[in-house]
Amino acid sequence: GDSVTQMEGPVTLSEEAFLTINCTYTATGYPSLFWYVQYPGEGLQLLLKATKADDKGSNKGFEATYRKETTSFHLEKGSVQVSDSAVYFCALSDSWSNSGYALNFGKGTSLLVTP
Amino acid sequence: EAGVAQSPRYKIIEKRQSVAFWCNPISGHATLYWYQQILGQGPKLLIQFQNNGVVDDSQLPKDRFSAERLKGVDSTLKIQPAKLEDSAVYLCASSLDVQQETQYFGPGTRLLVL
Repeated sequence: GDSVTQMEGPVTLSEEAFLTINCTYTATGYPSLFWYVQYPGEGLQLLLKATKADDKGSNKGFEATYRKETTSFHLEKGSVQVSDSAVYFCALSDSWSNSGYALNFGKGTSLLVTP
Repeated sequence: EAGVAQSPRYKIIEKRQSVAFWCNPISGHATLYWYQQILGQGPKLLIQFQNNGVVDDSQLPKDRFSAERLKGVDSTLKIQPAKLEDSAVYLCASSLDVQQETQYFGPGTRLLVL
């Protein structure tokens, strides 16, 4: 079945450091890929998405490119801020799966950015 | 535009008791999802509705969990009887329709079963 694997956390970075959070997936069909973010005390928010191979999603300085050849969707940001401290979830939806467009999430990666 | 509303925000019960969670999706959203998020894990789909019909409930533990969306708007998720392992955050999400992939999440209900 479909699955998402993302790097274990927690990740601790200094402000202005470069961020990469790795995410790989397995899917039956042609999934869409997402990054969701969960700030402390808040609900899940969509950060960015990509719906087909080679698409790049971007938002708030974060980027991720849908790489079909490596089945990956790594999240990157050139310079993190303290306000980026949150838990980041990689997810996919695959219309070919039994659950249609329901999201299949990774376990989440906690990011802490220190001043 | 109002977001997805959930209540209560927190609930503490003893095992074998029953509990119900309520969700009001974004106005006009036909598709509604309930996810269970156990501490340290990603959310896992429990049930998906399209209007008032069930699209997928294959991962819902039907011996103790039930959900309904009678008028195609609000939804209720019930657990009866609760077990210790049901301690989790229960997330409700909605989207315009089943083929709209962007889901909007509510704040969740945090359940602790003692």
